[in-house]
Amino acid sequence: GAGVSQSPRYKVAKRGQDVALRCDPISGHVSLFWYQQALGQGPEFLTYFQNEAQLDKSGLPSDRFFAERPEGSVSTLKIQRTQQEDSAVYLCASSSTWGTESGNTIYFGEGSWLTVV
Amino acid sequence: AQKVTQAQTEISVVEKEDVTLDCVYETRDTTYYLFWYKQPPSGELVFLIRRNSFDEQNEISGRYSWNFQKSTSSFNFTITASQVVDSAVYFCALSDSYSGAGSYQLTFGKGTKLSVIP
Repeated sequence: GAGVSQSPRYKVAKRGQDVALRCDPISGHVSLFWYQQALGQGPEFLTYFQNEAQLDKSGLPSDRFFAERPEGSVSTLKIQRTQQEDSAVYLCASSSTWGTESGNTIYFGEGSWLTVV
Repeated sequence: AQKVTQAQTEISVVEKEDVTLDCVYETRDTTYYLFWYKQPPSGELVFLIRRNSFDEQNEISGRYSWNFQKSTSSFNFTITASQVVDSAVYFCALSDSYSGAGSYQLTFGKGTKLSVIP
């Protein structure tokens, strides 16, 4: 597609349930990012992939959060045993090159809105 | 550590008024990048501008203009003759080499919600 695509757009999970959020980056984009955006806040970095390699996962809030990008294209963010504090919008982004030095633009998807009840 | 402050939580203006959104940043790096993104109600972050720390020239794009001042660590965004379609949350963001291996990680402010009233 033309942009970053995320699914599902909306997910309501019961506390303790596992969820999986999918991201389809722009075709050919090397870099892929996941951000978490709580209500009324700015996005916060979760993790970064360059192709299939997860180079930074320092932003993942706990070991219940896991991300993968096995073939260097589609990525999945998995949250195990969801808690109410996990309620947020999860934004995926991609860019054509490495980092931001070379003038590339980071393109964001519309996000997956997760509500844990 | 890097930090971005957007002191204005919400702003309301009447259509056709000019409005300036403030952004103040903190970084210990001499090479860094500043961004503005627009987030309409649909949720997608729309890229508006990227500026590196060595380019202090102000930039104008249509009704949008940006004023980058290293002396005050500010990167303010002005919308001239605002329109209802400008209503959104606007985020200022920073990336620098201390974010990790290469400047790929964006640090965002909390955003400014702009409402343009017809």
